[in-house]
Amino acid sequence: NAGVMQNPRHLVRRRGQEARLRCSPMKGHSHVYWYRQLPEEGLKFMVYLQKENIIDESGMPKERFSAEFPKEGPSILRIQQVVRGDSAAYFCASSPSGRRIPGEQYFGPGTRLTVT
Amino acid sequence: DQQVKQNSPSLSVQEGRISILNCDYTNSMFDYFLWYKKYPAEGPTFLISISSIKDKNEDGRFTVFLNKSAKHLSLHIVPSQPGDSAVYFCAAIIQDDKLIFGTGTRLQVFP
Repeated sequence: NAGVMQNPRHLVRRRGQEARLRCSPMKGHSHVYWYRQLPEEGLKFMVYLQKENIIDESGMPKERFSAEFPKEGPSILRIQQVVRGDSAAYFCASSPSGRRIPGEQYFGPGTRLTVT
Repeated sequence: DQQVKQNSPSLSVQEGRISILNCDYTNSMFDYFLWYKKYPAEGPTFLISISSIKDKNEDGRFTVFLNKSAKHLSLHIVPSQPGDSAVYFCAAIIQDDKLIFGTGTRLQVFP
Protein backbone atom coordinates (compact mmCIF):
# COMPACT_ATOMS: atom_id res chain seq x y z
CA ASN A 1 0.00 0.00 0.00
CA ALA A 2 1.74 3.14 -1.21
CA GLY A 3 2.02 6.00 1.21
CA VAL A 4 0.95 9.57 0.65
CA MET A 5 2.47 10.86 -2.58
CA GLN A 6 3.36 14.46 -3.23
CA ASN A 7 4.73 15.99 -6.36
CA PRO A 8 6.79 17.71 -7.29
CA ARG A 9 9.27 17.26 -4.45
CA HIS A 10 10.96 20.51 -5.34
CA LEU A 11 9.44 23.45 -7.15
CA VAL A 12 11.11 26.71 -8.13
CA ARG A 13 8.97 29.63 -9.20
CA ARG A 14 9.71 33.27 -9.96
CA ARG A 15 7.75 35.94 -8.16
CA GLY A 16 4.35 36.38 -9.76
CA GLN A 17 4.10 32.86 -11.18
CA GLU A 18 1.66 30.19 -10.10
CA ALA A 19 2.56 27.12 -8.06
CA ARG A 20 0.53 23.90 -8.13
CA LEU A 21 1.25 21.26 -5.55
CA ARG A 22 -0.29 17.80 -5.84
CA CYS A 23 -1.13 15.24 -3.20
CA SER A 24 -2.39 11.69 -3.65
CA PRO A 25 -3.64 10.33 -0.32
CA MET A 26 -3.18 6.76 0.80
CA LYS A 27 -5.58 4.30 -0.77
CA GLY A 28 -8.88 4.32 1.06
CA HIS A 29 -8.24 7.66 2.77
CA SER A 30 -10.89 10.29 2.23
CA HIS A 31 -9.53 13.08 4.43
CA VAL A 32 -6.71 15.35 3.26
CA TYR A 33 -4.89 18.06 5.19
CA TRP A 34 -2.32 20.59 4.01
CA TYR A 35 0.33 22.06 6.30
CA ARG A 36 3.09 24.59 5.69
CA GLN A 37 6.45 24.64 7.41
CA LEU A 38 8.48 27.82 7.27
CA PRO A 39 12.22 27.60 8.03
CA GLU A 40 12.95 26.93 11.71
CA GLU A 41 9.25 26.67 12.54
CA GLY A 42 6.71 23.95 13.17
CA LEU A 43 4.06 22.83 10.73
CA LYS A 44 1.09 25.17 10.46
CA PHE A 45 -2.33 23.91 9.44
CA MET A 46 -3.72 25.37 6.23
CA VAL A 47 -6.79 23.44 5.07
CA TYR A 48 -8.75 20.23 5.64
CA LEU A 49 -10.68 18.66 2.78
CA GLN A 50 -12.84 15.65 2.12
CA LYS A 51 -13.82 14.54 -1.37
CA GLU A 52 -15.26 17.59 -3.17
CA ASN A 53 -15.66 19.53 0.09
CA ILE A 54 -13.58 22.01 2.05
CA ILE A 55 -14.18 21.25 5.72
CA ASP A 56 -11.89 23.79 7.39
CA GLU A 57 -9.82 26.44 5.65
CA SER A 58 -9.12 28.57 8.69
CA GLY A 59 -5.35 28.37 8.14
CA MET A 60 -5.38 29.45 4.51
CA PRO A 61 -4.26 32.98 3.63
CA LYS A 62 -7.27 34.92 2.40
CA GLU A 63 -5.78 35.73 -0.98
CA ARG A 64 -3.84 33.83 -3.65
CA PHE A 65 -4.23 30.40 -2.00
CA SER A 66 -6.83 27.79 -2.89
CA ALA A 67 -7.23 24.04 -2.46
CA GLU A 68 -9.39 21.33 -3.91
CA PHE A 69 -9.90 17.60 -3.58
CA PRO A 70 -11.95 16.48 -6.57
CA LYS A 71 -13.97 13.30 -6.81
CA GLU A 72 -11.29 11.86 -9.06
CA GLY A 73 -7.59 12.64 -8.91
CA PRO A 74 -5.24 14.19 -6.40
CA SER A 75 -5.74 17.09 -4.07
CA ILE A 76 -4.27 20.33 -5.41
CA LEU A 77 -2.92 23.28 -3.45
CA ARG A 78 -2.67 26.29 -5.72
CA ILE A 79 -0.75 29.46 -5.01
CA GLN A 80 -1.23 32.31 -7.42
CA GLN A 81 1.23 35.17 -7.91
CA VAL A 82 3.80 33.70 -5.57
CA VAL A 83 5.95 35.94 -3.39
CA ARG A 84 9.24 35.23 -1.60
CA GLY A 85 7.40 34.69 1.68
CA ASP A 86 5.63 31.66 0.18
CA SER A 87 8.95 29.78 0.12
CA ALA A 88 8.42 26.85 2.50
CA ALA A 89 7.89 23.12 2.71
CA TYR A 90 4.28 22.13 2.07
CA PHE A 91 3.13 18.85 3.55
CA CYS A 92 0.03 16.90 2.73
CA ALA A 93 -1.44 14.35 5.13
CA SER A 94 -4.31 11.92 4.84
CA SER A 95 -6.40 9.87 7.19
CA PRO A 96 -9.19 7.33 6.80
CA SER A 97 -12.76 7.72 7.98
CA GLY A 98 -13.30 6.13 11.37
CA ARG A 99 -9.63 6.31 12.29
CA ARG A 100 -8.61 4.46 15.39
CA ILE A 101 -6.46 7.19 16.90
CA PRO A 102 -7.77 10.77 16.76
CA GLY A 103 -5.26 13.00 15.04
CA GLU A 104 -3.28 10.16 13.50
CA GLN A 105 -2.42 11.41 10.06
CA TYR A 106 -0.12 9.99 7.43
CA PHE A 107 2.19 12.54 5.89
CA GLY A 108 3.72 12.76 2.48
CA PRO A 109 7.39 13.73 1.96
CA GLY A 110 6.49 17.33 1.24
CA THR A 111 7.03 19.77 -1.61
CA ARG A 112 9.75 22.34 -1.08
CA LEU A 113 8.75 25.55 -2.83
CA THR A 114 11.40 28.14 -3.56
CA VAL A 115 10.38 31.53 -4.90
CA THR A 116 13.15 33.48 -6.58
CA ASP B 1 -0.57 32.90 19.21
CA GLN B 2 1.49 29.76 19.85
CA GLN B 3 -0.90 27.32 21.50
CA VAL B 4 1.63 24.48 21.63
CA LYS B 5 5.18 25.29 22.69
CA GLN B 6 8.40 23.35 22.69
CA ASN B 7 10.90 25.57 24.43
CA SER B 8 13.98 23.43 23.82
CA PRO B 9 15.04 23.60 20.18
CA SER B 10 17.62 20.86 20.65
CA LEU B 11 18.65 18.05 22.96
CA SER B 12 21.73 15.87 22.96
CA VAL B 13 21.72 12.51 24.79
CA GLN B 14 24.13 9.63 25.05
CA GLU B 15 23.07 6.26 23.63
CA GLY B 16 21.41 4.09 26.28
CA ARG B 17 20.33 7.04 28.43
CA ILE B 18 16.87 8.54 28.75
CA SER B 19 15.71 11.32 26.44
CA ILE B 20 13.02 13.65 27.81
CA LEU B 21 11.29 16.02 25.44
CA ASN B 22 8.92 18.62 26.83
CA CYS B 23 5.86 20.41 25.54
CA ASP B 24 3.55 23.05 27.00
CA TYR B 25 0.13 24.12 25.79
CA THR B 26 -2.28 26.92 26.53
CA ASN B 27 -5.67 25.71 25.27
CA SER B 28 -7.51 23.64 27.85
CA MET B 29 -9.94 22.46 25.14
CA PHE B 30 -7.37 20.15 23.56
CA ASP B 31 -8.59 16.59 23.98
CA TYR B 32 -5.79 14.60 22.38
CA PHE B 33 -2.03 15.06 22.25
CA LEU B 34 0.35 13.39 19.84
CA TRP B 35 4.06 13.15 19.18
CA TYR B 36 5.38 13.01 15.65
CA LYS B 37 8.93 12.25 14.58
CA LYS B 38 10.52 13.76 11.49
CA TYR B 39 13.68 12.86 9.60
CA PRO B 40 15.24 15.32 7.11
CA ALA B 41 13.55 15.41 3.70
CA GLU B 42 10.67 13.27 4.95
CA GLY B 43 7.22 13.96 6.30
CA PRO B 44 6.43 13.55 10.00
CA THR B 45 5.44 10.09 11.20
CA PHE B 46 3.12 9.38 14.09
CA LEU B 47 4.85 8.09 17.20
CA ILE B 48 2.52 7.99 20.21
CA SER B 49 -0.56 9.77 21.54
CA ILE B 50 -2.45 10.36 24.76
CA SER B 51 -6.01 11.27 25.52
CA SER B 52 -6.63 14.24 27.82
CA ILE B 53 -8.42 11.94 30.27
CA LYS B 54 -5.25 9.94 30.89
CA ASP B 55 -1.94 10.86 32.45
CA LYS B 56 0.34 8.24 30.91
CA ASN B 57 0.60 6.13 27.80
CA GLU B 58 3.39 3.70 27.07
CA ASP B 59 4.48 1.98 23.87
CA GLY B 60 7.73 0.07 24.01
CA ARG B 61 10.61 2.48 24.62
CA PHE B 62 8.31 5.50 24.36
CA THR B 63 6.16 6.89 27.18
CA VAL B 64 4.14 10.09 27.15
CA PHE B 65 3.12 11.81 30.39
CA LEU B 66 0.38 14.41 30.64
CA ASN B 67 -0.01 16.90 33.50
CA LYS B 68 -3.26 18.73 32.81
CA SER B 69 -3.04 21.08 35.76
CA ALA B 70 0.32 22.32 34.50
CA LYS B 71 -0.72 22.07 30.83
CA HIS B 72 2.46 20.14 30.21
CA LEU B 73 3.35 16.89 28.52
CA SER B 74 6.59 15.06 28.02
CA LEU B 75 7.92 12.24 25.90
CA HIS B 76 10.39 9.82 27.45
CA ILE B 77 12.55 7.58 25.30
CA VAL B 78 14.47 4.91 27.13
CA PRO B 79 16.92 3.61 26.24
CA SER B 80 17.79 6.15 23.56
CA GLN B 81 19.26 4.82 20.32
CA PRO B 82 21.15 6.57 17.50
CA GLY B 83 18.20 5.90 15.17
CA ASP B 84 16.06 8.08 17.43
CA SER B 85 17.99 11.14 16.22
CA ALA B 86 15.34 13.28 14.53
CA VAL B 87 13.11 16.28 15.11
CA TYR B 88 10.21 15.58 17.46
CA PHE B 89 7.01 17.57 17.21
CA CYS B 90 4.39 17.77 19.88
CA ALA B 91 0.86 18.27 18.50
CA ALA B 92 -2.64 18.69 19.87
CA ILE B 93 -6.16 18.46 18.50
CA ILE B 94 -9.70 19.44 19.40
CA GLN B 95 -12.43 17.01 18.35
CA ASP B 96 -10.24 15.11 15.92
CA ASP B 97 -9.70 18.15 13.76
CA LYS B 98 -6.53 19.78 12.48
CA LEU B 99 -3.23 19.20 14.24
CA ILE B 100 -1.70 22.15 16.10
CA PHE B 101 2.05 21.61 16.13
CA GLY B 102 4.82 22.89 18.35
CA THR B 103 8.04 24.18 16.82
CA GLY B 104 9.92 20.93 17.35
CA THR B 105 12.92 19.68 19.30
CA ARG B 106 15.92 18.27 17.50
CA LEU B 107 17.17 15.18 19.34
CA GLN B 108 20.66 13.92 18.77
CA VAL B 109 21.67 10.59 20.28
CA PHE B 110 25.42 10.07 20.27
CA PRO B 111 27.37 6.84 20.90
